Amino acid sequence: QKEVEQDPGPLSVPEGAIVSLNCTYSNSAFQYFMWYRQYSRKGPELLMYTYSSGNKEDGRFTAQVDKSSKYISLFIRDSQPSDSATYLCAMSEGANSKLTFGKGITLSVRP
Amino acid sequence: EPEVTQTPSHQVTQMGQEVILRCVPISNHLYFYWYRQILGQKVEFLVSFYNNEISEKSEIFDDQFSVERPDGSNFTLKIRSTKLEDSAMYFCASSEGLAGIGTQYFGPGTRLLVL
Repeated sequence: QKEVEQDPGPLSVPEGAIVSLNCTYSNSAFQYFMWYRQYSRKGPELLMYTYSSGNKEDGRFTAQVDKSSKYISLFIRDSQPSDSATYLCAMSEGANSKLTFGKGITLSVRP
Repeated sequence: EPEVTQTPSHQVTQMGQEVILRCVPISNHLYFYWYRQILGQKVEFLVSFYNNEISEKSEIFDDQFSVERPDGSNFTLKIRSTKLEDSAMYFCASSEGLAGIGTQYFGPGTRLLVL
């Protein structure tokens, strides 16, 4: 079983839609969970950071972590064409430990 | 806003040559990292560096690779004898190193092509 699995996509939605992106993982030692956004041929840009289980909201973005199910989600409300990018989940065991990434899902928001 | 910078943005080299990839982490950060992303694949961890020594490394980071903090601002990744399979995007990242907070900020990457 892969350590971090992410829906492969691609995903195409109309502008204004609610987007749900998900990752599952197998390593129960993961404590820190992140979502990064990556535009083509650029570095990953940190979107959301969560420690342990729970929800975190930042503007149109909400991150959820369910450690009992080993499942994390990123919700994007009122999606915009500028949200079109590849979204990567990443997680680590310790605060400054190596990140283990999902493969990423490419999102396209149609005007 | 502070950011991680990397040079060069692109590097083309011949197989067997040495390359040095350079990074300037965010100035008050204490942890530094190198990751790579082969085209179409996941971002993979290579090595982390703290307090002037390697704190963690992956099995990819073999004897062909080395890292160095030659001065107070630069962090470098050296590949001694490049192979075709080293062709990838290499990302440097840094984090503050505060207890309980480990957000890693990535640079724009260096695209390495080994011919």
